[in-house]
Amino acid sequence: GAGVSQSPRYKVAKRGQDVALRCDPISGHVSLFWYQQALGQGPEFLTYFQNEAQLDKSGLPSDRFFAERPEGSVSTLKIQRTQQEDSAVYLCASSLEGQGARTEAFFGQGTRLTVV
Amino acid sequence: AQRVTQPEKLLSVFKGAPVELKCNYSYSGSPELFWYVQYSRQRLQLLLRHISRESIKGFTADLNKGETSFHLKKPFAQEEDSAMYYCALLYNFNKFYFGSGTKLNVKP
Repeated sequence: GAGVSQSPRYKVAKRGQDVALRCDPISGHVSLFWYQQALGQGPEFLTYFQNEAQLDKSGLPSDRFFAERPEGSVSTLKIQRTQQEDSAVYLCASSLEGQGARTEAFFGQGTRLTVV
Repeated sequence: AQRVTQPEKLLSVFKGAPVELKCNYSYSGSPELFWYVQYSRQRLQLLLRHISRESIKGFTADLNKGETSFHLKKPFAQEEDSAMYYCALLYNFNKFYFGSGTKLNVKP
C-alpha cells in the first residue's frame, strides 16, 4: 500500500477483554513505532522495532501490553485484560532507515480503542 | 527529563495575519526537534525539522537553545493552515516526545 495501514480503525472492548491491533508499515521500512494518544494529549511513545528486534519497550505502561513484529514487517500490539484507562488512539509509524526516527516517520491513521 | 511544552491549546487568527505556535523543550543533550501537523480527518504528518532549516508551506521554525524554544511561524496565515500542530523532540534516535498540541484556527 501507499502508506502505513492500521486495523481495525475502531475497536470497542469490554473491560477485561484482550485486544490485538495490527500495523502494516510501508514496505521496506526498517523502523516501526507504536504510540498511544489519549484524548486531548500528544502521542506518547510505547515501543520501537528495528526489523524484528524490539529495541525499546520502555513506554509500555504495564505487562498487559505486548508488541511483536516476528518477520520484520507487520506488527501487532496486544493488550490483555483491557481497562478503561487503555482507551486511546493507538498510532503506528514506520521509517525507512535503521536510525529510527531520524528519517521521516510516516504515521498510520490509528486505531481508536474504547474500553467499556 | 525530556519534556515538550506547547502552552496554547487553541490559537485563532484571521486569514493573512501572522501566526506563531509556541514550543518549549527540556533536554540535556543536543536536541533534534520537529513539527508535525494533523489536518482534519488525516493522519499525522511531518511538517518540518530543525536540522533541515527548511520552509514548508511558508512555515519556518528556529531552534533557540538559549531559550529552549522551537516556535513555528508563518507571516501570513491561510485558511488551509487550520489543523492540529504538534512539536516533537527526538530522543535517542527512536523516541519522540510530543507536546500536547495546539489547534490552529484560521478565520476567513
